[in-house]
Amino acid sequence: GAVVSQHPSWVICKSGTSVKIECRSLDFQATTMFWYRQFPKQSLMLMATSNEGSKATYEQGVEKDKFLINHASLTLSTLTVTSAHPEDSSFYICSARAGTAHYGYTFGSGTRLTVV
Amino acid sequence: EDKVVQSPLSLVVHEGDTVTLNCSYEVTNFRSLLWYKQEKKAPTFLFMLTSSGIEKKSGRLSSILDKKELFSILNITATQTGDSAVYLCAAEGTSYGKLTFGQGTILTVHP
Repeated sequence: GAVVSQHPSWVICKSGTSVKIECRSLDFQATTMFWYRQFPKQSLMLMATSNEGSKATYEQGVEKDKFLINHASLTLSTLTVTSAHPEDSSFYICSARAGTAHYGYTFGSGTRLTVV
Repeated sequence: EDKVVQSPLSLVVHEGDTVTLNCSYEVTNFRSLLWYKQEKKAPTFLFMLTSSGIEKKSGRLSSILDKKELFSILNITATQTGDSAVYLCAAEGTSYGKLTFGQGTILTVHP
């Protein structure tokens, strides 16, 4: 089945530093990937839609200069949290759709970011 | 604004019980309704529903969509402790692939 690989699984960083999260589609090509954020005991909130070869589309209230998205190839999208602050600590997760609609959207394993 | 509401928010049952999870949605240009199971990390796909009244089954799990009343249910029969998880409902609307998630239902199954 379709697999989306995401890493790192967890990262701890200091305030002010930047963190890059990678999301790869392993056995299919994903022209579009989606980035979500999930705070503790809350549901997933879509942050942005990553499009291969073009600029990402951000949801209302998401700072595009803080959450940089790059989708340089059909199998890789990256999310960089720039100048991270403790309030950016969250669970970040990507998803992509592989082929037929029957299988819905496949999610990566997620990245737990803690900013100290 | 697209909205998905799940109920109950949490549910505690014993092994062998049957549970019904509810999901109502208000989504512009509705495309599909998806159910996911989330344990510790990534949500795992359960069902994708696009047509009203057609039940989808996978083992002890089943789901159905009512596009007139704008809701879906997820049934789990003969629950097991391994069914303990957060069950997420999501609706796909106007924009292809953009999912609006509900708050989730936390299911706890005791032995």
